[in-house]
Amino acid sequence: ELQLVQSGAEVKKPGEALKISCKGSGHSFINYWIGWVRQMPGKGLEWMGVIYPNNSDIRYSPSLQGQVTISADKSISTAYLEWSSLKASDTAMYFCARRDWNSGRGTFDIWGQGTLVTVSS
Amino acid sequence: DIQMTQSPSTLSASVGDRVTITCRASQSISSWLAWYQQKPGKAPKLLIYKVSNLESGVPSRFSGSGSGTEFSLTISSLQPDDFATYYCQQYKSYPWTFGQGTKVEIK
Repeated sequence: ELQLVQSGAEVKKPGEALKISCKGSGHSFINYWIGWVRQMPGKGLEWMGVIYPNNSDIRYSPSLQGQVTISADKSISTAYLEWSSLKASDTAMYFCARRDWNSGRGTFDIWGQGTLVTVSS
Repeated sequence: DIQMTQSPSTLSASVGDRVTITCRASQSISSWLAWYQQKPGKAPKLLIYKVSNLESGVPSRFSGSGSGTEFSLTISSLQPDDFATYYCQQYKSYPWTFGQGTKVEIK
């Protein structure tokens, strides 16, 4: 079964660092773009960026560039989203998703279950 | 960035109703438009891609139409499982952007 499995919920303090993960299985992970989408409490979906694990080509949302780092380890079919210094405003659910370009859909077809990040002092 | 504007923000309807959600792009996105359904605490689910292509496994009561800057999602006969929030999304150019969402509630 094609799936993306994300790491578990995190509770952090402001200023702490964090790296969450998204592991793919059942498909050729390195040949698909993997994206990250933020959903703040009670709000809509916000595209954060995408990475192509095969060559680590990355595109960031201009509004978030510099705030987070997207990376991937193709040897273990895993993408990451990382913060060096969390803020309370980073509290949100974070989803990873696969961009299916190969079959023509062009957009996110498979999603992870989400990782809830709570930042509170 | 391309702005996506959905309407209405909330829609109250009954089982069996035909409902339509509209989505407007701030510039032409050709056919690079998708629709997602999201239920509370769950990941979004792809319903339609490239304006009108139904994702595998999605019931045929869902349909999409439009071109350029004006798009719509129609549910021909609302079912209990359809009460959820729906988002349009453009993927013509980065950064991809979503509409603000339409919550379909039970009337």
